Amino acid sequence: DTAVSQTPKYLVTQMGNDKSIKCEQNLGHDTMYWYKQDSKKFLKIMFSYNNKELIINETVPNRFSPKSPDKAHLNLHINSLELGDSAVYFCASSQGKHGGYTFGSGTRLTVV
Amino acid sequence: GNSVTQMEGPVTLSEEAFLTINCTYTATGYPSLFWYVQYPGEGLQLLLKATKADDKGSNKGFEATYRKETTSFHLEKGSVQVSDSAVYFCALSDNAGNMLTFGGGTRLMVKP
Repeated sequence: DTAVSQTPKYLVTQMGNDKSIKCEQNLGHDTMYWYKQDSKKFLKIMFSYNNKELIINETVPNRFSPKSPDKAHLNLHINSLELGDSAVYFCASSQGKHGGYTFGSGTRLTVV
Repeated sequence: GNSVTQMEGPVTLSEEAFLTINCTYTATGYPSLFWYVQYPGEGLQLLLKATKADDKGSNKGFEATYRKETTSFHLEKGSVQVSDSAVYFCALSDNAGNMLTFGGGTRLMVKP
């Protein structure tokens, strides 16, 4: 059983389109995250949800909107995609300060 | 705010060489510290962690000691293998455990 699963694994789309990435965790963790990894492997947090409530919203364009229907799911919707949105997006979950994160395998988004 | 600085790569070593990847941090309070590893095409996996000063985290022959006096958490391995080739990330968790802040990653290449 995959602990944190995200779909799709690859996403190629044209500029201006709207797309969604889904994430689900079966670990019973309370907190979920979206991170963006750029081409230089730098990881930056985008959003954090704890029990369906948004607790971190870093400087991210309004075109990115997270949705957490329950604490096991955190989806990411992106409107009006731009070339600069091309990156690998990772979902992760955690329980408590000391537990560390469990990451999904990533979604490689390519905007053409 | 919190920040993590790690040595830039790539680090290229021959098999069985000794590995050190430096990591220093800036944080308020008492963060937890982590090393994550990312193999090509995969998500991040927790390698080891330390939750308080002088703790030593270890796993798969890797180890790192939480040094509060030097604000460091250097990763070491006595004898690297080709299979250790990956990108290594140092990270810290804020006091509330709401967010992991990552260093820029260090690519390790081990040659036979």
